[in-house]
Amino acid sequence: EAGVVQSPRYKIIEKKQPVAFWCNPISGHNTLYWYLQNLGQGPELLIRYENEEAVDDSQLPKDRFSAERLKGVDSTLKIQPAELGDSAVYLCASSRGTAPTDTQYFGPGTRLTVL
Amino acid sequence: AQSVTQLDSHVSVSEGTPVLLRCNYSSSYSPSLFWYVQHPNKGLQLLLKYTSAATLVKGINGFEAEFKKSETSFHLTKPSAHMSDAAEYFCVVSDLTGKLIFGQGTELSVKP
Repeated sequence: EAGVVQSPRYKIIEKKQPVAFWCNPISGHNTLYWYLQNLGQGPELLIRYENEEAVDDSQLPKDRFSAERLKGVDSTLKIQPAELGDSAVYLCASSRGTAPTDTQYFGPGTRLTVL
Repeated sequence: AQSVTQLDSHVSVSEGTPVLLRCNYSSSYSPSLFWYVQHPNKGLQLLLKYTSAATLVKGINGFEAEFKKSETSFHLTKPSAHMSDAAEYFCVVSDLTGKLIFGQGTELSVKP
């Protein structure tokens, strides 16, 4: 079974430029998550999807961040415009459901550097 | 609200000696608890999870953790460290919606 796929693995951009990250979850997983991981810290949830619906986006900075999961499978997270403080690792995860006991499987992440 | 506290930001052990990574949790109901490991430039991998079944949970690579309600702890142990165990370890609690709340992480170093 293929794992969660993310691309690109690394991205370097100038501040004020746009950037997009892509995630393809494990086949059959209805729930998809985007997390932000700052250096030396644990990941923090940005947004959670159940199929196509964003059911928890309370931590997503909506002035510059957006996400979509149009067909309920893969997802894109966008930042426009990027700021220096956005430098971090962006992780995607998926799970079969949303029960507290459901295991979330993580992709390798995209490391963003904003210059 | 759910939370976890990892009591050590860095632990250093010698190869072949026991590993103990400490985690305390706070929860208003019976929690689901996880340990994840993150190797450099790799994604997070699940080591083990507690879901209110057996209090002693066995995971991959010889790791195990014991859920102690009276102490609100979920410490991770391994009898004998291997060089390949060097990584960042996260204790995690799940809320009722399935949202994961991560601890700050413990960096494990293994000396030859």
